[in-house]
Amino acid sequence: GDSVTQMEGPVTLSEEAFLTINCTYTATGYPSLFWYVQYPGEGLQLLLKATKADDKGSNKGFEATYRKETTSFHLEKGSVQVSDSAVYFCALGGADGLTFGKGTHLIIQP
Amino acid sequence: GAVVSQHPSWVICKSGTSVKIECRSLDFQATTMFWYRQFPKQSLMLMATSNEGSKATYEQGVEKDKFLINHASLTLSTLTVTSAHPEDSSFYICSARDPRGRGTITEAFFGQGTRLTVV
Repeated sequence: GDSVTQMEGPVTLSEEAFLTINCTYTATGYPSLFWYVQYPGEGLQLLLKATKADDKGSNKGFEATYRKETTSFHLEKGSVQVSDSAVYFCALGGADGLTFGKGTHLIIQP
Repeated sequence: GAVVSQHPSWVICKSGTSVKIECRSLDFQATTMFWYRQFPKQSLMLMATSNEGSKATYEQGVEKDKFLINHASLTLSTLTVTSAHPEDSSFYICSARDPRGRGTITEAFFGQGTRLTVV
């Protein structure tokens, strides 16, 4: 079945550091890929998405490129802020709905 | 964006009692709602899909008699954990799909989640 593997956390960075959160997947067919973010005390919010190979999703300075050859969808940001502290979930969207990774807790220190 | 409200955000209950969790779509009518469960350090797992006015569709391995789902209106779905036990302690989160096109089965709007602790 479908599965998503993302790097374990917590990930602790200083403000303005470069961020990469790795995400790889296994799936049948051609799924859509998503990154969701959960800020403290809030529900999940869609951060960005890509629906086909080589698509790049971007939002709020975050980017991720759908790499079919490496079955990856790594999340990157060039300069993180304290307000980016949250839990980030990589997800795969197939015919039966969403399959999530375990989530990565990101902590940004001033 | 669309708002989905989930209540309560946390609950502690005694073993053997039942707990009801509500999921409401505040600015749209949700014909389909989803219930997920997350164990510590694990992925969010889809438990069931509820469609307004019909029985919920449960994922394999989810006990339908233990996790009762009711989607009686277009804005409300409830999950009742019956005769709760400590192993039911978990984080439960709902999501809803806006049939007007904002969100699809793979891009739904999420509630805040409910932390259930059974003692």
